[in-house]
Amino acid sequence: GENVEQHPSTLSVQEGDSAVIKCTYSDSASNYFPWYKQELGKRPQLIIDIRSNVGEKKDQRIAVTLNKTAKHFSLHITETQPEDSAVYFCAASIVGNTDKLIFGTGTRLQVFP
Amino acid sequence: NAGVTQTPKFQVLKTGQSMTLQCAQDMNHNSMYWYRQDPGMGLRLIYYSASEGTTDKGEVPNGYNVSRLNKREFSLRLESAAPSQTSVYFCASSEERAGGEEQYFGPGTRLTVT
Repeated sequence: GENVEQHPSTLSVQEGDSAVIKCTYSDSASNYFPWYKQELGKRPQLIIDIRSNVGEKKDQRIAVTLNKTAKHFSLHITETQPEDSAVYFCAASIVGNTDKLIFGTGTRLQVFP
Repeated sequence: NAGVTQTPKFQVLKTGQSMTLQCAQDMNHNSMYWYRQDPGMGLRLIYYSASEGTTDKGEVPNGYNVSRLNKREFSLRLESAAPSQTSVYFCASSEERAGGEEQYFGPGTRLTVT
C-alpha cells in the first residue's frame, strides 16, 4: 500500500530563516498532496495543497514543490516567525479513492526568536 | 457553523470497558473519517465512510467498530478497550469530489486506557 516518509522529525531555526520539510511517497498514481499544521493541543489544519498536474504552488511565505518523477514533495517556509512553531504533516492520496489520505509521521518545527 | 465536533474531550477507561466516541459535522460533507494520533506515528486512518450507510477499513481497524448514523454523524466504538488504544482520536470530514479534498478535523478526544 501507499507509504509516506517525512524528514526531518524535528527542525529548529532562527526567526527569519527558511525551513524545508521533505516527504516521499511510494505510489506513483497518488495525485493529491496536502500539508497540515497542528499547533500544540489543537486540531490539524490544512495550510497548502498541490495536485499532480502542478509542479509548484505558493501562498505568501509558504510554498510546496512536487517532483513526480522522484516521487517527493517539499514544504518551504520563508521568513519564519515564532507562530510558525508547530508540527507539520504531509499526506498523499490513496490510489482508487482520492478522499483517503496516508499521512507522514510529522515534523516538529521550532522557531526561536 | 460549528464545523466538526467531537465528544467527549477526555476519557479514562479501564481495560475491558467499552465506550463510543461521537462525531458530527454541519458542513453537509459526504465523507467522514476516524484517525488516531500517537507520538512519532502521525495520523493513522482507523475507518472511513464515503457516504451515509457505507463504511470501510483504514490502516488500523482492529479493536474498533463504526456507525455512520446519518449524513452528519459518524461514531467510533471500542468494545473492549486495551492499553494499546490509549491515543488521541480525531474525526474529520470532507466533500466528495474527484482530485482530492481538504479534510476538516474535529478538536480530538484524548483517551487513556489503564
